[in-house]
Amino acid sequence: EVQLLESGGGLVQPGGSLRLSCVASGFNFSSCAMSWVRQAPGKGLEWVSTISGSTGSTYYADSVKGRFTISRDNSKNTLYLQMNSLRAEDTALYYCAKSVPASGMDGWGQGTTVTVSS
Amino acid sequence: QPVLTQSSSASASLGSSVKLTCTLSSRHSSYTIAWHQQQPGKAPRYLMKLEGSGRYNKGSGVPDRFSGSSSGADRYLTISNLQSEDEADYYCETWDINTRVFGGGTKVTVL
Repeated sequence: EVQLLESGGGLVQPGGSLRLSCVASGFNFSSCAMSWVRQAPGKGLEWVSTISGSTGSTYYADSVKGRFTISRDNSKNTLYLQMNSLRAEDTALYYCAKSVPASGMDGWGQGTTVTVSS
Repeated sequence: QPVLTQSSSASASLGSSVKLTCTLSSRHSSYTIAWHQQQPGKAPRYLMKLEGSGRYNKGSGVPDRFSGSSSGADRYLTISNLQSEDEADYYCETWDINTRVFGGGTKVTVL
């Protein structure tokens, strides 16, 4: 069974930084692409970033490009999202998800909340 | 990049059926999508992958009441024998070489 456990969310001031983590179990983490998806309060799902399993190639939404960095440590089965220069509009529940090529995101964590406010 | 369009809401009576639509942008009308369910206060749950041919593969534990179909650029999710626990938001997702996209979601109300 796929299990994904996010952590690292919290309250941060505009311009600040935060690093999210997602510990994975129940599947071969190192061979799977992984994504971050966020959901602002009362809004829909928004893709943030994806990292491939094989090459470690990274992809970002335009809204976070240059500010967020996705990475992974396959030895620890852990996915990360380093978020810098945070803005109020980054306030959201952040989910990590297992991404299967040509099939979609077939496993989701419970999410971690990020609030950007002074 | 692809664009996915969903109606904002749908409703149907307990025990009946509801058919949700996700429409791909015309240039991407052959794309495969995925359907996800998000019950109130919960994380999303993967329901199925749905190809342009209409073939679909459901996720683990997804009830038989959920099925998919396709016509042109439209991708459908049909929920039969609607149950109270089906009241949720439903999102479609697709992907391109360097991006992933979600539709705006459809809120399903069980009457």
